[in-house]
Amino acid sequence: QKEVEQNSGPLSVPEGAIASLNCTYSDRGSQSFFWYRQYSGKSPELIMFIYSNGDKEDGRFTAQLNKASQYVSLLIRDSQPSDSATYLCAVRSNYQLIWGAGTKLIIKP
Amino acid sequence: KAGVTQTPRYLIKTRGQQVTLSCSPISGHRSVSWYQQTPGQGLQFLFEYFSETQRNKGNFPGRFSGRQFSNSRSEMNVSTLELGDSALYLCASSPGTGDIQYFGAGTRLSVL
Repeated sequence: QKEVEQNSGPLSVPEGAIASLNCTYSDRGSQSFFWYRQYSGKSPELIMFIYSNGDKEDGRFTAQLNKASQYVSLLIRDSQPSDSATYLCAVRSNYQLIWGAGTKLIIKP
Repeated sequence: KAGVTQTPRYLIKTRGQQVTLSCSPISGHRSVSWYQQTPGQGLQFLFEYFSETQRNKGNFPGRFSGRQFSNSRSEMNVSTLELGDSALYLCASSPGTGDIQYFGAGTRLSVL
């Protein structure tokens, strides 16, 4: 059973600090990794995707992938109250997206 | 480019009834996935269709079924509704299976 694990949280971070969200996966053959943000009562929206080992930056967001250790993380710099949401990790495994349960992030003003 | 359209947005049904939800994917996308989400829960995968064929299926009872038409629009059907079927049903479209998924606004189903 292919699995994607995330800490459910909530993760509480002060405004302006760095929020670090982690995700581990079981299938070593996984090739594509995605981070989605979901506000309460809304549908998930794509933040970033990463395919290669290392870091990928997009504005305040950085995705980090380590295939040897089978984890992918999302860093949010200069956290804002509007970043408060649930963050979902998804991993492509055998032409299917496997989803983590999500981490609830709370940014405290 | 129009996004993913789900209809209806809200639905109220009673136990034992059946319901059909509709999803129109982004133009050019051939894969449609369906998810159930209950409060505080993650996405529970129902099934995925690609070019009118069911490619993947989650662990839901046979009361949940779906289909995809030649224009890639998809429908999901739930028969003999139960109280526990109350949830947000999300549809996501992607160019192909396992690609980036783009979500519709969802259909919120309440079973009384």
